[in-house]
Amino acid sequence: EAGVAQSPRYKIIEKRQSVAFWCNPISGHATLYWYQQILGQGPKLLIQFQNNGVVDDSQLPKDRFSAERLKGVDSTLKIQPAKLEDSAVYLCASSLRTSGEGEQFFGPGTRLTVL
Amino acid sequence: RKEVEQDPGPFNVPEGATVAFNCTYSNSASQSFFWYRQDCRKEPKLLMSVYSSGNEDGRFTAQLNRASQYISLLIRDSKLSDSATYLCAVNVYNQGGKLIFGQGTELSVKP
Repeated sequence: EAGVAQSPRYKIIEKRQSVAFWCNPISGHATLYWYQQILGQGPKLLIQFQNNGVVDDSQLPKDRFSAERLKGVDSTLKIQPAKLEDSAVYLCASSLRTSGEGEQFFGPGTRLTVL
Repeated sequence: RKEVEQDPGPFNVPEGATVAFNCTYSNSASQSFFWYRQDCRKEPKLLMSVYSSGNEDGRFTAQLNRASQYISLLIRDSKLSDSATYLCAVNVYNQGGKLIFGQGTELSVKP
C-alpha cells in the first residue's frame, strides 16, 4: 500500500516569497491533516479536512496560510508571503477514521527554510 | 501551561538499560492516547496506542493514568536502534480527531 506522498521534500525561499506544498493521502482516507513541526517541537495541527470540507483550521494563520482539498483527495498548502518563523517541516497525515481513534499516517514532510 | 508536556531530554542510556518516559496532559476530556517514534529527519510513526488497561508490545509497555492525567512509555532492554525522539499525542473528545503532541523526548542508546 502506498503511503502519504508529499512534494517537494525541501524548499528554500526568501522572506516575503510564496511557496506551495502538495500532499496525496493514502487511497481511501477521508481525513487529511496538515501539521507544522518547528525544530525541537512536536507537530502542531494547522488544518484538518474531512473529504473536501474543513473540520478545524483554528490554528492556521489565515492572513498568510491557505489550504485546499478541492476534490477530496490531494491537498495543497500555501504560504504567501513567507516569514522567517515559517521555517519548519510541514507534515501531511491521513487517516481512515475521523474520530481520532484510528492511526494517522504521516508523509515524509516538506522541509521549508525561509531566509 | 502546555496541553501536552513530556520529560525534557535527551536521555542517554547504555544498551540493555530500562528507560521510562512520562507525558502529562491538561485536558481531562482527552480521549485517545498514543506514542509516536520519530527518527532524525523522518516523519513520526505510530509506536503504540495507549489503553486504559495498559498495553505491552515486546519490550515496550505503555500505561495510562486518567486520574493523574499522564501516560508513560517503558522500554526494556534498550537497543541501539531505539535511539529516536518519542512523541506522546492525545486526541481530545469532540475535537475532530486532531492530535495534540508533546514536544518529544530524545533517546540516545549508547553501546
